[in-house]
Amino acid sequence: QSALTQPPSASGSPGQSVTISCTGTSSDVGGYNYVSWYQQHPGKAPKLMIYEVTKRPSGVPDRFSGSKSGNTASLTVSGLQAEDEADYYCCSFGGNNNYVFGTGTQVTVL
Amino acid sequence: EVQLVESGGGLVQPGGSLRLSCAASGFIFSAYWMTWVRQAPGKGLEWVANIKHDGLEEYYVDSVKGRFTISRDNAKNSVYLQMSSLRAEDTAVYFCVRHLNTIFDYWGQGALVTVSS
Repeated sequence: QSALTQPPSASGSPGQSVTISCTGTSSDVGGYNYVSWYQQHPGKAPKLMIYEVTKRPSGVPDRFSGSKSGNTASLTVSGLQAEDEADYYCCSFGGNNNYVFGTGTQVTVL
Repeated sequence: EVQLVESGGGLVQPGGSLRLSCAASGFIFSAYWMTWVRQAPGKGLEWVANIKHDGLEEYYVDSVKGRFTISRDNAKNSVYLQMSSLRAEDTAVYFCVRHLNTIFDYWGQGALVTVSS
């Protein structure tokens, strides 16, 4: 149950795109299409942004998209806006009703 | 509107016990799995435990097995986390989370647990 690996930070100017990677193993990310992404602003509860690798809950802008290749999932934020500045965490099902989160990525809008 | 409200956090000495509660409203509580996720100060999220909608299955992260117990009372729309043999590394904000299939779709605001002498 080791944490999934994310880059500590990512940044982009308004209007640009940023992509965050989330690397696990064949026992979690690579083994299931059950990767979700969460946005967390300082002092707030996390918010679901992407589920089942590519799906967006209602109300989440289509600027947010997800993908997966092998043991690595990715979250892309296109057309960066100031309110996208936050921490982002991936999460994967790890079998036997266990879950593992990523180490987190702080996104800065320059 | 889905609401999850945690309570019971506070300061506890190492080796002590604490029980967190989470009151749910705005949805059919007995139809959903529930989960606890924690976040140590300045650190990332960690899945702690989850419980099936009928309370008959529970799962835990290895680091809390044998020390923490998740339970629920569907008549009271509540889920609990009984924590014992607490350690400094258990210090965290504990979030109550609604769990739909493999998705954590609604989160409470969290309860701070501090383990310190």
